[in-house]
Amino acid sequence: DQQVKQNSPSLSVQEGRISILNCDYTNSMFDYFLWYKKYPAEGPTFLISISSIKDKNEDGRFTVFLNKSAKHLSLHIVPSQPGDSAVYFCAARRDYGQNFVFGPGTRLSVLP
Amino acid sequence: NAGVTQTPKFRVLKTGQSMTLLCAQDMNHEYMYWYRQDPGMGLRLIHYSVGEGTTAKGEVPDGYNVSRLKKQNFLLGLESAAPSQTSVYFCASSYSTGLQPQHFGDGTRLSIL
Repeated sequence: DQQVKQNSPSLSVQEGRISILNCDYTNSMFDYFLWYKKYPAEGPTFLISISSIKDKNEDGRFTVFLNKSAKHLSLHIVPSQPGDSAVYFCAARRDYGQNFVFGPGTRLSVLP
Repeated sequence: NAGVTQTPKFRVLKTGQSMTLLCAQDMNHEYMYWYRQDPGMGLRLIHYSVGEGTTAKGEVPDGYNVSRLKKQNFLLGLESAAPSQTSVYFCASSYSTGLQPQHFGDGTRLSIL
């Protein structure tokens, strides 16, 4: 039973447009969420995070929105660039520790 | 600036063989983790360590053992490899306090025939 779901395995977006990646979770005890980006043959790299006490966090072209009542978060990338083409993982922290549950990932392709 | 280094990058084993994957970090992180990634699934936690000399089970620990004899190193062992352990293994590390993200190595691709 996946506690963190990313229901879109892939997404294609035109360069310069907005990319929206979605993530749903089932455990209401999750209190901290992160997005990681992964290129082929490399490990995931941290992108942006949000605490459950906030509903939005912004860092340059990347914004994460959290809707606790819907148990849903989304990552917006504006404007999208070809270098953003990668697999994006959503992760959630549980047990107030440093253990995270990862979603299966969404492959983003930004077309020039 | 090495960060998290995993050794080896690729390995092919026969069923029943044993091997050890090595993870080394140079960031003085307290926490270290081993994950496996399989197609269509997210990273799943195998074992983790909250400090030198300590280890704990994660979500999928069966068939694996770990050791953290030195703070900078975290070893993952397969005692008797099985085809179901064919996967990409990632090591990660993080600080112990606060809302800190994990830093990942580039992975070890392991195939069990």
